[in-house]
Amino acid sequence: IQLTQSPSSLSTSVGDRVTITCRASQGIDSSFAWYQQKPGKAPKLLIYGVSTLASGVPSRFSGSGSGTDFTLTISSLQPEDFATYYCQQLNIYPWTFGQGTRVEIK
Amino acid sequence: EIQLVESGGGLIQPGGSLRLSCAASGFTVSSDYMNWVRQAPGKGLEWISVIYSGGTSYYTDSVKGRFTISRDDSTNTLYLQMNSLRAEDTAVYHCARDPGVTNGMVDWGQGTTVTVSS
Repeated sequence: IQLTQSPSSLSTSVGDRVTITCRASQGIDSSFAWYQQKPGKAPKLLIYGVSTLASGVPSRFSGSGSGTDFTLTISSLQPEDFATYYCQQLNIYPWTFGQGTRVEIK
Repeated sequence: EIQLVESGGGLIQPGGSLRLSCAASGFTVSSDYMNWVRQAPGKGLEWISVIYSGGTSYYTDSVKGRFTISRDDSTNTLYLQMNSLRAEDTAVYHCARDPGVTNGMVDWGQGTTVTVSS
């Protein structure tokens, strides 16, 4: 299954609302996750099961979607949120990641 | 505290073999789902393999028949045996833990670098 994220990158400001979408090449179940990765660091799980926040993740992050279309939303971007975000499907082997969305400071 | 520490990376010629290790602490590798994920320089994440608590494993297509995931319960260590290495296998390799209740990789190691080049 191919996962296509959009946009590939975006420039935005602290306080902005950010929406990242992930489209699957075929329908998948709720085995869907989002990760955040900062340069030189390992990825961090943000959301699993489409919409469940991982432990310790701020409530400004939320996930939604079903079938082929999934969304990660950051309600009010904070300085520590500038990073690259990846979606992942864990429904059908081989599991796959999206290509990533880089969120940069405007 | 849960820790994952990878080792075994290095420079290897095309066609060669390497075995990566992931030493786990704070949990039991045999109880959770353990994964290998890699990231080529400047590129995105690529899932490689998972081994379930029962021992069943799965692989991404590009490594099937060349890579083997395994674990040693006595030392609480995850392994990735990599054979017939290619230039495109050059990447940072991370091990990652999925406790099974999340269906997502909660804990990650910092990675070990594999460079395949002549």
